[in-house]
Amino acid sequence: EPEVTQTPSHQVTQMGQEVILRCVPISNHLYFYWYRQILGQKVEFLVSFYNNEISEKSEIFDDQFSVERPDGSNFTLKIRSTKLEDSAMYFCANTGAGNTIYFGEGSWLTVV
Amino acid sequence: DQQVKQNSPSLSVQEGRISILNCDYTNSMFDYFLWYKKYPAEGPTFLISISSIKDKNEDGRFTVFLNKSAKHLSLHIVPSQPGDSAVYFCAATLSGGYQKVTFGTGTKLQVIP
Repeated sequence: EPEVTQTPSHQVTQMGQEVILRCVPISNHLYFYWYRQILGQKVEFLVSFYNNEISEKSEIFDDQFSVERPDGSNFTLKIRSTKLEDSAMYFCANTGAGNTIYFGEGSWLTVV
Repeated sequence: DQQVKQNSPSLSVQEGRISILNCDYTNSMFDYFLWYKKYPAEGPTFLISISSIKDKNEDGRFTVFLNKSAKHLSLHIVPSQPGDSAVYFCAATLSGGYQKVTFGTGTKLQVIP
């Protein structure tokens, strides 16, 4: 299976701090997604990103969140001022022209 | 609005038997369906998919059945193996690529040796 790489695998941060989660997508797969899973809950869509623009975002993806491709290859999710309820596993995902989305291993964010 | 539903949060099956995981959806626009397997602290791994033009797709021990009129799909695993123990997510999307995927809440499968 194609591989999407995420860093860090686990981050603990103080409430109110900024967090940046990073993703290295599959080569030539140009459509990016961020999903998250709060412990014990379902996998939730956050945002999709294509051609350097947000294509779609959910209600969860408020002004505290942003995404970008800082160097044309990596893909980042930034949370400006973390809240306790942001604690979750964040998954970067990637797709090409097909319908199958491939997920990274996840970044576990703990806000204390 | 739960557009993709997995009503069984857990399932236990004996090794060698068939595991059947069920999924229902409400959005009739969905025309492409996927199953993902997830271990704790890992990302979802793609298992198998099916387009709405088909009613069955098979890949080794895994078969997905789609009943469009009932808006229902199921994943059959035969024979079940202990390594299949994981959380299985049903997901739905629109075909044509570059579409978000909507996930169900997951079913935790335990295969008992």
